[in-house]
Amino acid sequence: KQEVTQIPAALSVPEGENLVLNCSFTDSAIYNLQWFRQDPGKGLTSLLLIQSSQREQTSGRLNASLDKSSGRSTLYIAASQPGDSATYLCAVATNAGKSTFGDGTTLTVKP
Amino acid sequence: DGGITQSPKYLFRKEGQNVTLSCEQNLNHDAMYWYRQDPGQGLRLIYYSQIVNDFQKGDIAEGYSVSREKKESFPLTVTSAQKNPTAFYLCASSVHRYTEAFFGQGTRLTVV
Repeated sequence: KQEVTQIPAALSVPEGENLVLNCSFTDSAIYNLQWFRQDPGKGLTSLLLIQSSQREQTSGRLNASLDKSSGRSTLYIAASQPGDSATYLCAVATNAGKSTFGDGTTLTVKP
Repeated sequence: DGGITQSPKYLFRKEGQNVTLSCEQNLNHDAMYWYRQDPGQGLRLIYYSQIVNDFQKGDIAEGYSVSREKKESFPLTVTSAQKNPTAFYLCASSVHRYTEAFFGQGTRLTVV
């Protein structure tokens, strides 16, 4: 059974800092990995999708990497802003088409 | 304006009642999903559907039921058999099961 872990559970950084969020998974037979952002009481917003054949994806200040063999993905946020404060979740999709979510990392960017 | 609409935003249920949560999408997506989120936790899959008139149980389907009679609609019924239904419920859709998923804004269900 796929298990997805996100460490740390919470992170607080000053504005302007570059930061890395981590996502690890136990079964490397994945189809893709998706990173989401969730604001309090809201739904999820898709940030980046990495297919299993890809190593990384970039969107603006965000860069996500995938290392299937080691069961790890990272989300790099450059020049963090207070508006980046949210919970970030990763989801790993298996070949059966089902996704397993991590519990998320809650990020606070202080002005 | 394309997207996924969940209603209602807040729902209160009395003990022993069945309630139905609505999920509608106008993205022309084939696949739709229902997830449950408890405080401080990630999402757990309740049911998913890859095409009209077909759906499969997820990891926590007991006490829930769904239907997929139309491509754009995937309602979730929380039955009285679900012993701990208080949670945040999220609906999602994707072009097909292997593509990027998009989420609605959620329904918060509380048992009173």
